[in-house]
Parts: sequence; structure tokens; C-alpha cells
Amino acid sequence: EAQVTQNPRYLITVTGKKLTVTCSQNMNHEYMSWYRQDPGLGLRQIYYSMNVEVTDKGDVPEGYKVSRKEKRNFPLILESPSPNQTSLYFCASSSGTQRYNEQFFGPGTRLTVL
Amino acid sequence: GDSVTQMEGPVTLSEEAFLTINCTYTATGYPSLFWYVQYPGEGLQLLLKATKADDKGSNKGFEATYRKETTSFHLEKGSVQVSDSAVYFCALGHQGAQKLVFGQGTRLTINP
Repeated sequence: EAQVTQNPRYLITVTGKKLTVTCSQNMNHEYMSWYRQDPGLGLRQIYYSMNVEVTDKGDVPEGYKVSRKEKRNFPLILESPSPNQTSLYFCASSSGTQRYNEQFFGPGTRLTVL
Repeated sequence: GDSVTQMEGPVTLSEEAFLTINCTYTATGYPSLFWYVQYPGEGLQLLLKATKADDKGSNKGFEATYRKETTSFHLEKGSVQVSDSAVYFCALGHQGAQKLVFGQGTRLTINP
């Protein structure tokens, strides 16, 4: 089954404790992105990657890091989480071979930073 | 920059009612337009899309028409069901870009 998976689905942590949210897709997609969803703001892009070893900032990159060492994986790293990073996070991927491609979303990771 | 504005929610309707969720956008060039749906506890799923002016996207009884003259992409359904209860997001994207610009989302609840 074609899908984007994220882990963990739920995470409660404390300020300053480094964490990683994993994202994996099995569709051989070139493009992957991370978004955060906040009430009244919709989804905003954090980082994106156009292929292995190619990443770039989205609209709200502060406080986040990413890496793309393999095509299927695109982890999101919070080196020193703060309460304002409490949010619902989505990973997405798309194939990049057409004019515009449907983005496939993972199930989301709900993060709470105390 | 680009932006998408959706009607304020939440929206509550009775089963079999007519649904309209308004969406307007501001963008340079000729973006593609999308409606995504998020069911409780799940990620976003593409509901429908339109890639050029006057295109009509449709799926599962939902429709939306790309109106360039009014910069709108309103979502409609003639007879809603309880299973349509979800959050609906309007979004736009540009050719060659892999970022979607989302509206704030509209929570829809359908009562039996």
C-alpha cells in the first residue's frame, strides 16, 4: 500500500530535550516536505527536500532541522524544543514528474512541549 | 505573497443539506487549486483539484470551479452525509513548486 508513515504519532516532551520525528514514504517520490498545523493558521511549510541531500527552508524553519540521506526518509529534528513548537506536524511527499503533483500526507504527529 | 482565505467555521448542517464552503485566493501567475479533507485522527487527503481557469474538479459528490475572475474556488455538495464531517482545507500550488499554500481550514459537522 502506497503511504507516508510518521513516528511517533503522539509525543509529550519538555523544553530543551532533543527529539526526532521520522517520516518515510514507499512511493519512490523525489519531493518531501514538513508542515505544521496550528488552529486558525492552516498548514505552513517548515522545510522541503527536492531529492537526496537537497533541502531548503519553507516558511517557518526556525527551530527545526531536517536531513535527506535516503530518498524514502525525511526526519524532522528539534534540537531544543520550546513550547511554541507545540503543534500537529505532517510529512508529505510527491513525485515531481508532472506539472503539479498531488501531495500525499502522513497521519500526523501531535507534539506537546511543556 | 500567495494566500488563501476560507470562510470561518465551524459549520454545522443537517444531513441532506446543501453545502458551500467559500475559498478565495491571492496569487501571482496561474496556480493550481485544491481541496483537501482531514477526517478525525487522520492526515490530509486530496478531495479534488483544478489546474486552470474554468476547470471543475469533482469527487465523492463534491465540486469546485476555478474562477479566475473572482479568484475563487468554492466547495459545494448538493446533499451532505454524516460521513462528510471533517476539516476541509483549500490550497494553491504553483507549477514546479512543491509547496502548497493552505487556508485556515473549515470544520464541518453534519448532524443526522
